[in-house]
Amino acid sequence: DQQVKQNSPSLSVQEGRISILNCDYTNSMFDYFLWYKKYPAEGPTFLISISSIKDKNEDGRFTVFLNKSAKHLSLHIVPSQPGDSAVYFCAAKRGSNYKLTFGKGTLLTVNP
Amino acid sequence: NAGVTQTPKFQVLKTGQSMTLQCAQDMNHEYMSWYRQDPGMGLRLIHYSVGAGITDQGEVPNGYNVSRSTTEDFPLRLLSAAPSQTSVYFCASSYLQYQETQYFGPGTRLLVL
Repeated sequence: DQQVKQNSPSLSVQEGRISILNCDYTNSMFDYFLWYKKYPAEGPTFLISISSIKDKNEDGRFTVFLNKSAKHLSLHIVPSQPGDSAVYFCAAKRGSNYKLTFGKGTLLTVNP
Repeated sequence: NAGVTQTPKFQVLKTGQSMTLQCAQDMNHEYMSWYRQDPGMGLRLIHYSVGAGITDQGEVPNGYNVSRSTTEDFPLRLLSAAPSQTSVYFCASSYLQYQETQYFGPGTRLLVL
């Protein structure tokens, strides 16, 4: 039973355009959501997060949107750069529970 | 700061062999965890610890043991390796109050034949 779903295994965009990565969750108890970025042969690195009390969080070129009623969040990267090419993982947690539940990841390729 | 370090980078084992994957952090983080990443499966939590002497199971703990005798180290033990444990293993750490922003190590690639 996959509680965090990233239904697009891959996404390809042109440099300068917007990248939109999507994530759905099934557990309504999740109240904190995160995005991690992973380059090949490296560990994931934290990118941006959002609490369930917000519907948007922005950090530079990265914005995460949360739609609680749809149990859906998305990561927008504007403008996309070739260095953004990586696997992006969506993750979720609930309350004070220490466990993070990850999605399967989406491979983003930004073409010059 | 070295951050989170993992050794070895790569290991080949035969079925039934045992080994310990090492993880260390120098950031005085209370929280440490182990994940495995398999193709098409994302990251799955194996075990975690919220401080020295305290460990708990994650999503896929079977076949793995952990201990936390110091704040810095969190080794992962495979007592009898199985081919199903072929994976890439990541260790991560964070401060408890910022547990969501975990710092990950570079990973250990394990092949069990």
